[in-house]
Amino acid sequence: AQRVTQPEKLLSVFKGAPVELKCNYSYSGSPELFWYVQYSRQRLQLLLRHISRESIKGFTADLNKGETSFHLKKPFAQEEDSAMYYCALSSSGSRLTFGEGTQLTVNP
Amino acid sequence: DTAVSQTPKYLVTQMGNDKSIKCEQNLGHDTMYWYKQDSKKFLKIMFSYNNKELIINETVPNRFSPKSPDKAHLNLHINSLELGDSAVYFCASSPDSYEQYFGPGTRLTVT
Repeated sequence: AQRVTQPEKLLSVFKGAPVELKCNYSYSGSPELFWYVQYSRQRLQLLLRHISRESIKGFTADLNKGETSFHLKKPFAQEEDSAMYYCALSSSGSRLTFGEGTQLTVNP
Repeated sequence: DTAVSQTPKYLVTQMGNDKSIKCEQNLGHDTMYWYKQDSKKFLKIMFSYNNKELIINETVPNRFSPKSPDKAHLNLHINSLELGDSAVYFCASSPDSYEQYFGPGTRLTVT
């Protein structure tokens, strides 16, 4: 069975500080990993996916198969980054399994 | 152009009532989903349809019945609503079983 764990429900940092949102997964095959973001009272939207290896809004995430992790990082957090972040895993088929989410607050 | 739309945006109703939420996507995707986001913001898949056929049916009470009249629409009907059904329900669609596009959500409050 596949599972995604985000150990921090809440994360608070100051503007300009580095931020790392943790994500660990368990899956026996070769996973596709994603980060989705939900700004206050808005729809979820894709932030980035591991296979594209791109940086979106200054965020990056590296898939570490040895540690089964896909942590989301940004070197300098901005207030507009405050949102709910979900790590998600997709196996073959049509299922996305989401982690429980981390609420990030960036304080001025 | 709204890609995935849901109606209504808010729904307040009493226990025991029956209600429906509609979802439409204009992206031409074959696969559509319903998710439930509870008060703790936990997001859980409920159903998935591919080209009008049910392919994922999680452990959901049978008071919840999805219906897909065509591949652009996936509606959710809920019978005998209970307090615990209060949540935000998100519809989503997907072109390739990986990336998903979400609707704005329907906030259901059962009193």
